[in-house]
Amino acid sequence: SQQGEEDPQALSIQEGENATMNCSYKTSINNLQWYRQNSGRGLVHLILIRSNEREKHSGRLRVTLDTSKKSSSLLITASRAADTASYFCATDGNAGNMLTFGGGTRLMVKP
Amino acid sequence: DTGVSQNPRHKITKRGQNVTFRCDPISEHNRLYWYRQTLGQGPEFLTYFQNEAQLEKSRLLSDRFSAERPKGSFSTLEIQRTEQGDSAMYLCASTWTEGYTFGSGTRLTVV
Repeated sequence: SQQGEEDPQALSIQEGENATMNCSYKTSINNLQWYRQNSGRGLVHLILIRSNEREKHSGRLRVTLDTSKKSSSLLITASRAADTASYFCATDGNAGNMLTFGGGTRLMVKP
Repeated sequence: DTGVSQNPRHKITKRGQNVTFRCDPISEHNRLYWYRQTLGQGPEFLTYFQNEAQLEKSRLLSDRFSAERPKGSFSTLEIQRTEQGDSAMYLCASTWTEGYTFGSGTRLTVV
């Protein structure tokens, strides 16, 4: 079963716009991670935010975490066509035992 | 190549046949994970190893699924008596602490 729910399921934007994806989860977590997956390929780790952190940045990525609402958001600024992919949030409830993934957001960035 | 390697990339098999997939993790990583991903869904955890010890296998989908990591290096995932419902992408990941590195996966098609 999947813990997280991503919202929206699909997002289409123009190059240069910002893309925001949201993730909700159900149980307590140790950390939350975001991954990217190009069609038919493996997942690439983007960013990890710990349960005691509220915001984290990495290049054009900004992640927020609200443990009281059990939710996270991923913001991609100044999007590029190459950002077209599926984005998944994943929660780690016990520091390394396993990740529980959401269903993903399919992002399309039009040139 | 210092990434996670999975072989084969694609496997087509007839229903009822046994299949085995191999994963070579990053050499310094002591934890190795297997996930299954069906079309349009996020990855679903199957099992994981710390070194050669299989620490969680209750999520394996049935007793037809088994995994090994005999010397704490590469791992194999075997599916016996395959069924059409086993058709999916099987992903392997490894990590030392947090933030997984995924392989490109093995896509299994059962006909």
